[in-house]
Amino acid sequence: DVKVTQSSRYLVKRTGEKVFLECVQDMDHENMFWYRQDPGLGLRLIYFSYDVKMKEKGDIPEGYSVSREKKERFSLILESASTNQTSMYLCASRDTTYEQYFGPGTRLTVT
Amino acid sequence: GQNIDQPTEMTATEGAIVQINCTYQTSGFNGLFWYQQHAGEAPTFLSYNVLDGLEEKGRFSSFLSRSKGYSYLLLKELQMKDSASYLCAVRSNTNAGKSTFGDGTTLTVKP
Repeated sequence: DVKVTQSSRYLVKRTGEKVFLECVQDMDHENMFWYRQDPGLGLRLIYFSYDVKMKEKGDIPEGYSVSREKKERFSLILESASTNQTSMYLCASRDTTYEQYFGPGTRLTVT
Repeated sequence: GQNIDQPTEMTATEGAIVQINCTYQTSGFNGLFWYQQHAGEAPTFLSYNVLDGLEEKGRFSSFLSRSKGYSYLLLKELQMKDSASYLCAVRSNTNAGKSTFGDGTTLTVKP
């Protein structure tokens, strides 16, 4: 079974803090994705990576950055957290086929 | 880019059949996904349609018409556990095959 894990299920941070969300997959997948999910807005792609050290902007990259130093790990970074970044963050991975496997999600609250 | 539309909410009765529609406009189409997401959980893969027609998988079937930009998910013999959000997503044939998600349809199954 494919396993995608995220470092925290729930996280509370203050405005202006630097936030790291970690995602690890154990199936040697090349492609990894970060989404945020908000009521009424669905899943929106923030960044994705198709190889180590490679990254591409998704639909809403502003205010975020990512890091992929190792194939199994894809990190999402909020350089200076703001209240409008309060959301559910979902990581996913995919091999060369089509199915994305999602992690359990991190519910981030920025106060 | 991609534009995906699906109904926000649907209600159906246990044991019945329900059809959830999804329409899309796309600049590059590779295939269409359906995911199921229970409240507070990560999305899980249901189906992926690349060619026109109906694909059946147990109680769930998915249909695609590429010329009409239209898909539906058909759920038969509804069970209470089918109450969930159903996400339609279109995979691009460019941009490293990234997927764009609709806002999801929340299905409530009543006894």
